Amino acid sequence: NAGVTQTPKFRVLKTGQSMTLLCAQDMNHEYMYWYRQDPGMGLRLIHYSVGEGTTAKGEVPDGYNVSRLKKQNFLLGLESAAPSQTSVYFCATILTEGTEAFFGQGTRLTVV
Amino acid sequence: TQLLEQSPQFLSIQEGENLTVYCNSSSVFSSLQWYRQEPGEGPVLLVTVVTGGEVKKLKRLTFQFGDARKDSSLHITAAQTGDTGLYLCAEYGGTSYGKLTFGQGTILTVHP
Repeated sequence: NAGVTQTPKFRVLKTGQSMTLLCAQDMNHEYMYWYRQDPGMGLRLIHYSVGEGTTAKGEVPDGYNVSRLKKQNFLLGLESAAPSQTSVYFCATILTEGTEAFFGQGTRLTVV
Repeated sequence: TQLLEQSPQFLSIQEGENLTVYCNSSSVFSSLQWYRQEPGEGPVLLVTVVTGGEVKKLKRLTFQFGDARKDSSLHITAAQTGDTGLYLCAEYGGTSYGKLTFGQGTILTVHP
């Protein structure tokens, strides 16, 4: 029972390159979230999903796209990476609103 | 947009001291959660408070929810080096169903 798994764990991109981060959960949770965390900071919400086939914008959505084609997977895409997107990205899942959020181990992304 | 403000941003204390961390909002919370994050890991839930005036205890940690449900505090008695970490408050929803928003966090360092 893996819980919440993020792939990859580390990545270095050149400015302008694209990539997709995968979040996979085996907890049968409805809600999934993508956050970014910069050094010494809290978590800023990028996009989230309240169910398969649905997505919504968070606080900092610009430069990112997401898809939730399957309930267990939430993909975060960067179409044209910029140095400002250098950060640690966390995925989280919850069963229903108000319950505990479970996080992946994070993806450390560096854009040079 | 509901803003979560945490204070202080940084706290550096000696082992055995007491401390309090605060989380305030511009609007009424539906419920509030406190998480703790260690370096290189995702946040882990400490507690959820729902009712105005509620007090919950978790060993040396005491959590309070304000009567008007617009503020919360986390008090640690006799801090230990193992308490070192990033403490985050989080709240759900508001006008955006399913949205989970975090404060900017308090970085606590407990020195031996």
